[in-house]
Amino acid sequence: QVQLVESGGGVVQPWRSLRLSCAASGFTFSSYGMHWVRQAPGKGLEWVAVIWYDGTNAYYGDSVKGRFTISRDDSKNTLYLQINSLRAEDTAVYYCARDSGIYLRLNWFFDLWGRGTLVTVSS
Amino acid sequence: QSALTQPASVSGSPGQSITISCTGSSSDIGGYNYVSWYQQHPGKAPKLMIYEVTNRPSGVPDRFSGSKSGNSASLTISGLQAEDEADYYCSSYTSSTSLVFGGGTKLTVL
Repeated sequence: QVQLVESGGGVVQPWRSLRLSCAASGFTFSSYGMHWVRQAPGKGLEWVAVIWYDGTNAYYGDSVKGRFTISRDDSKNTLYLQINSLRAEDTAVYYCARDSGIYLRLNWFFDLWGRGTLVTVSS
Repeated sequence: QSALTQPASVSGSPGQSITISCTGSSSDIGGYNYVSWYQQHPGKAPKLMIYEVTNRPSGVPDRFSGSKSGNSASLTISGLQAEDEADYYCSSYTSSTSLVFGGGTKLTVL
């Protein structure tokens, strides 16, 4: 069925790196722009990053610029988020989400979400 | 990019109507019709309820409606039901080629 499944979360020490994955199935992954959204425990949603359907463009939220890198492998139907120099404030559930637009059009709303993967930054 | 401003909580009785406001600026809500609303139940992923200010995805009851005026948007839920109790988030595209969410509103059905 149509779904997104995140993985790669866990307990990580500060300053270490982590790569999250999001496996897509049931739809043509290569046609869609994809986003990462995070939610700290008990807090609201925070947009993290977007990548165009063909990987040619990526944009980031101000709080993660320079440390996070979004990428995709369409041959594996998988979205990634590389997180470097982890900080305590990066502790959150990380969701991947599909933009409802296809190809060059991004609609900036999400019609499909994964269940999320929890990243806990702690020494 | 500062978060959009939402009330922390709203409440209403079954059958009543409530409205949740979402205030931004001319760089986000006021400049684009890319305003969306999401519902999130505890421990669950968010669910799209309204997109492009006023549109409802298929399967979302017509009790949910959205609007926008200037730099503010609103979500109205009429005929409140117990299952509507959840957190609600607005979002908007911004002039920085990014997305900003509101801080979230907890809806309590009394």
